[in-house]
Amino acid sequence: DAKTTQPPSMDCAEGRAANLPCNHSTISGNEYVYWYRQIHSQGPQYIIHGLKNNETNEMASLIITEDRKSSTLILPHATLRDTAVYYCIVRVYNFNKFYFGSGTKLNVKP
Amino acid sequence: DSGVTQTPKHLITATGQRVTLRCSPRSGDLSVYWYQQSLDQGLQFLIHYYNGEERAKGNILERFSAQQFPDLHSELNLSSLELGDSALYFCASSSQGGNTEAFFGQGTRLTVV
Repeated sequence: DAKTTQPPSMDCAEGRAANLPCNHSTISGNEYVYWYRQIHSQGPQYIIHGLKNNETNEMASLIITEDRKSSTLILPHATLRDTAVYYCIVRVYNFNKFYFGSGTKLNVKP
Repeated sequence: DSGVTQTPKHLITATGQRVTLRCSPRSGDLSVYWYQQSLDQGLQFLIHYYNGEERAKGNILERFSAQQFPDLHSELNLSSLELGDSALYFCASSSQGGNTEAFFGQGTRLTVV
């Protein structure tokens, strides 16, 4: 599985967009980018995933660079409840193992 | 609510003992994964079962074992427990293959004293 690199922590003001970067320079053509978050000690929560096109759902947007070596998760209007550790994962299609890295601790401040 | 149920939520036991953690996947999901998260640590992949068969092993100790039953629920057995086994244990499930996300349960917090 390709490795991912994320900043250990980031701050964001409430109501502003939170942009969380992820580097996955060794990603292979058949690997998807997934984002999960973990609020305190709860079970990780699925956010979004994509292969090469940008994706958007009710929670967030995922922007993947054209060379697929990096991506950005965008929370358009961060709230205090978005304070969590955000994990970027790359996973081979049809291969269900998820490896979690260290993640980014996002602190949303009032 | 992810639809994945883990029991018990909390478990306190003594060193040397054996415990069983249970996971009921979302309805229809064939894959079950187990993860361990020690205090302030990341999630460590332990093992993956698909429709009753072991598919992948991660950093799972020999003292630990798992199985998935015909009704697709899974159990993680931890034996000869040590203080260092104290952790959150998460189960996740996903549907068969393909481009699917995994949904996590709320975990079992194991404390070994």
